[in-house]
Amino acid sequence: DIQMTQSPSSVSASVGDRVTITCRASQGISSWLAWYQQKPGKAPKLLIYAASSLQSGVPSRFSGSGSGTDFTLTISSLQPEDFATYYCQQANSFLPLTFGGGTKVEIK
Amino acid sequence: QITLKESGPTLVKPTQTLTLTCTFSGFSLSTSGVGVGWIRQPPGKALEWLALIYWNDDKRYSPSLKSRLTITKDTSKNQVVLTMTNMDPVDTATYYCAHRRLAAGARFDYWGQGTLVTVSS
Repeated sequence: DIQMTQSPSSVSASVGDRVTITCRASQGISSWLAWYQQKPGKAPKLLIYAASSLQSGVPSRFSGSGSGTDFTLTISSLQPEDFATYYCQQANSFLPLTFGGGTKVEIK
Repeated sequence: QITLKESGPTLVKPTQTLTLTCTFSGFSLSTSGVGVGWIRQPPGKALEWLALIYWNDDKRYSPSLKSRLTITKDTSKNQVVLTMTNMDPVDTATYYCAHRRLAAGARFDYWGQGTLVTVSS
């Protein structure tokens, strides 16, 4: 089965900081990767799909990059509403749609 | 406007079968490139994908749970049903359904609010 490994599992940052989260797939998935944001008690929200495409309505401070096995989510200038948990997910329908373990972005 | 809502029991006993219904609006599951998936999240833990059904009745399951899961659709009622057999306390989780779009990069772009299912005797 395909494994999705996120790092770090948590990060402490301040408003205005640049934050980078990485996601590694155990096998190549081309650009079949999505990123989600989840706040406590809420459903996940799609941020990025196809590794680097910004979902409509998502602020441009969020960006995604990568292909193959290594991917990154970057928040260019952290805002108070960005404190949440972030998940990557491999999106190739011919493989299990595995999620990463999550990265919690906390206030420093 | 796409919306989805999960419904089903909040409490099931061990060994019982769980049946969850996702009722949606704003799209048709007969439209090419559209699917509905189920994802769960145990309290305090990560998301776990369970199953997916497409407009053409193609079905996909998590390999680790495949033997216990069945996903079906009723296009006329705008519903997708997930059944999970032989429930165990470790299956206690919030269960979400989500709209999946294949065009230009597959993703779950709309989610239901989730429903908490507790497995306990």
